[in-house]
Amino acid sequence: AQRVTQPEKLLSVFKGAPVELKCNYSYSGSPELFWYVQYSRQRLQLLLRHISRESIKGFTADLNKGETSFHLKKPFAQEEDSAMYYCALGVDYGQNFVFGPGTRLSVLP
Amino acid sequence: DTAVSQTPKYLVTQMGNDKSIKCEQNLGHDTMYWYKQDSKKFLKIMFSYNNKELIINETVPNRFSPKSPDKAHLNLHINSLELGDSAVYFCASSLRGSADEQFFGPGTRLTVL
Repeated sequence: AQRVTQPEKLLSVFKGAPVELKCNYSYSGSPELFWYVQYSRQRLQLLLRHISRESIKGFTADLNKGETSFHLKKPFAQEEDSAMYYCALGVDYGQNFVFGPGTRLSVLP
Repeated sequence: DTAVSQTPKYLVTQMGNDKSIKCEQNLGHDTMYWYKQDSKKFLKIMFSYNNKELIINETVPNRFSPKSPDKAHLNLHINSLELGDSAVYFCASSLRGSADEQFFGPGTRLTVL
């Protein structure tokens, strides 16, 4: 069965420090990986997806098929990055979608 | 100009009742979804609906049924509500399938007493 794991429920870093939110998946087919973010009092929204290979708000994520990982990274965290981050997996050519349990990132001043 | 809207925002009801949550998108998207977020913030897909094709998560009880009067709407009907149904329910839509960016509604917080 398809599964997404995010080992950290809560991650706290100081402003300016590097941050890495871990994500691992299990899927036998060709995965489509995403990071969605929910800021306080805002809707869940797409942050980035692996097929775009772009940097959004300073965040990047590289799909590592060998390690089945899609970790989210940012070299210098900002206070406005504090939010709930969900790693997600699209499977079966878009027929199904699986979210990880989420990691709450808290960036301290 | 709201892209994906849900009503109501809050719903408090007694066990055993039947209730509906409405969802509308004005993005012209082909696929709509319903998700359930539990108290631990875990998000789980319940349904996806595309061009009259309904894909159901097999773990969803048949007390839950989506109804789509047209491409822009996907309502969620829940029969015989149970305490465990208390959660936040999110509607979302995407252009084609889940490989496309999904746009989420604001959520409906359902509390079953």
